[in-house]
Order: sequence, then structure tokens, then C-alpha cells
Amino acid sequence: EAAVTQSPRNKVTVTGGNVTLSCRQTNSHNYMYWYRQDTGHGLRLIHYSYGAGNLQIGDVPDGYKATRTTQEDFFLLLELASPSQTSLYFCASSGREGNTEVFFGKGTRLTVV
Amino acid sequence: GDQVEQSPSALSLHEGTGSALRCNFTTTMRAVQWFQQNSRGSLINLFYLASGTKENGRLKSTFNSKESYSTLHIRDAQLEDSGTYFCAASAYQGGRALIFGTGTTVSVSP
Repeated sequence: EAAVTQSPRNKVTVTGGNVTLSCRQTNSHNYMYWYRQDTGHGLRLIHYSYGAGNLQIGDVPDGYKATRTTQEDFFLLLELASPSQTSLYFCASSGREGNTEVFFGKGTRLTVV
Repeated sequence: GDQVEQSPSALSLHEGTGSALRCNFTTTMRAVQWFQQNSRGSLINLFYLASGTKENGRLKSTFNSKESYSTLHIRDAQLEDSGTYFCAASAYQGGRALIFGTGTTVSVSP
């Protein structure tokens, strides 16, 4: 089973604060994704990447930056956090060819006060 | 508009009964996944289908890419089946990212 590890699992920050969410996958997957989940919206794609140094914009990118430093590591950055970014954040990964099944981490609950 | 339309939004079942959840797609999808979200918020992979039907215990899922829909059938529902179920599909564009439905909250009662 694919392993995707997120840290921290919970985070509280103040409005205007700087937050970095981390994600590591150990399955040699090429694709990695960041989603946010809010009540009534399901999961929405923020950013994704298909390899180290690559970044693609998702559906709700405003207020977020991301960086893929290695094949394993994908970071989500909130440089000026706002209360509207209070959410449950998921990282995920998937392979290149054939089977495109996506595997998710356990989520990071972020609260911006 | 939404590319993944999931229904119903809520479903109440008595133990031992069954029902079906459905997702309709407004564009051609390459694959579909079904997840259960547990009380701690974790997403549990139930099925991945590029076509056809898969079964696992009391759950069965079908993906008809030609007619643009997928279903998840629950039979002999148990209390532990309560939770929120999501379908998600990947299109041929968009880097294989999953597009999620809005979820079905399933409540199983004795």
C-alpha cells in the first residue's frame, strides 16, 4: 500500500502568519497533489506536480504557493494566512503509467485565528 | 459546471439493508476511485476502476466510461459502514488529478 505522510497533523496559526505543510511519499510516484476540504465542497485541488522542480496550478490556488524539492517531498506554503484558509488539507500521490490510482495522506487540520 | 455529480447527498439505512450511490460525469473520465472518509477525517481507498466492476466484501462498484457514470453498491449494511463516501475521477487532461464529488453521508442505524 502506498505511503503518504503529512506533517504536522494539526496546526493553529494567527492571521498573517507563515505556515508550511509538508508531505513525503515513499512510493516513487511522479505525481503529487495538494487538496483542501471544506464542508459542502468535497476536496478541491490547490496545486500539483509531476516531478521535482515542477509545479502546476490547480483549481483553487489563490493564497498558496507550493514547491516540489525532490521526487518524495512536496510542500504547501501559506505566506500570509487568512481565516478563509482554515481547512483540512490533504496531500496525495500517484504513479506515471498504467495504474493511476491516487493515494492520500491522513490530512492536516489547519486553523487560522 | 461540476464535472462530477454525486447523489444522493445523504442516505439512511437500517442494518442488513442495501442501497446504491451514483456519480455522473460531464466529461470523459479515464478512471474513478471511491473513498470512505472515517470519523478522524482519513480517506480510505475503497475502489479504483479504469473500467468494469469490482467487488470487495459487501461493496461493489461499477464504472461505465462510455455512459459516464459510476456506482457504489452497499449490501447488508453494518453500523461501521456509516460515514461519508466520495467518488472521484481523473480526466484525460489536468495531470491525472482527481476531481471529487461532494460526497454522500451514509447513516446506518440498528
